[in-house]
Amino acid sequence: DQQVKQNSPSLSVQEGRISILNCDYTNSMFDYFLWYKKYPAEGPTFLISISSIKDKNEDGRFTVFLNKSAKHLSLHIVPSQPGDSAVYFCAAVNYGGATNKLIFGTGTLLAVQP
Amino acid sequence: NAGVTQTPKFQVLKTGQSMTLQCAQDMNHEYMSWYRQDPGMGLRLIHYSVGAGITDQGEVPNGYNVSRSTTEDFPLRLLSAAPSQTSVYFCASSSKRTRAFFGQGTRLTVV
Repeated sequence: DQQVKQNSPSLSVQEGRISILNCDYTNSMFDYFLWYKKYPAEGPTFLISISSIKDKNEDGRFTVFLNKSAKHLSLHIVPSQPGDSAVYFCAAVNYGGATNKLIFGTGTLLAVQP
Repeated sequence: NAGVTQTPKFQVLKTGQSMTLQCAQDMNHEYMSWYRQDPGMGLRLIHYSVGAGITDQGEVPNGYNVSRSTTEDFPLRLLSAAPSQTSVYFCASSSKRTRAFFGQGTRLTVV
């Protein structure tokens, strides 16, 4: 049973437009959500996160929205740039627990066309 | 400023061989994890550790062993490699309630 789901395997957008990546989760115990970005042949790198007590967190061109009642979060990238082309992973964790375990979704491949 | 270091970067094994993937971190993080990345499957947790001497299974532990004798090192052992273990393996570390840092990955092919 997959606890974190990213239902769109891929997304293509034009440079300068908005990219919206979606993520759903099932476990109500998750209290923190993170987005990681991954380029080919590199390890995932942290992008942005949000606590379950917030509904929005912004960092430059990147904004994460959390709808706790719907168990849904989304990552907005505005404006999108060709260098944003990568795989984006949504992850969830229960920091209130003992393990710090990150549970990842399957990823969305974003292609930003020049 | 090494962060999380994984070795080797690439490895080809024959079915039935054993090997150890090395992972070391220099950030004094108590939490360490191993993930595998497969097409369409995302990053799946193999084993994790909450501190030296303490390990536990993740989502896909079969065929893998781990140990954590020091805070810095968290090796992953493949006991008898199978083609189904062909994958890219990532090691990660973190402190309590902080984001995880990942290594560069080990690409393993089992033939």
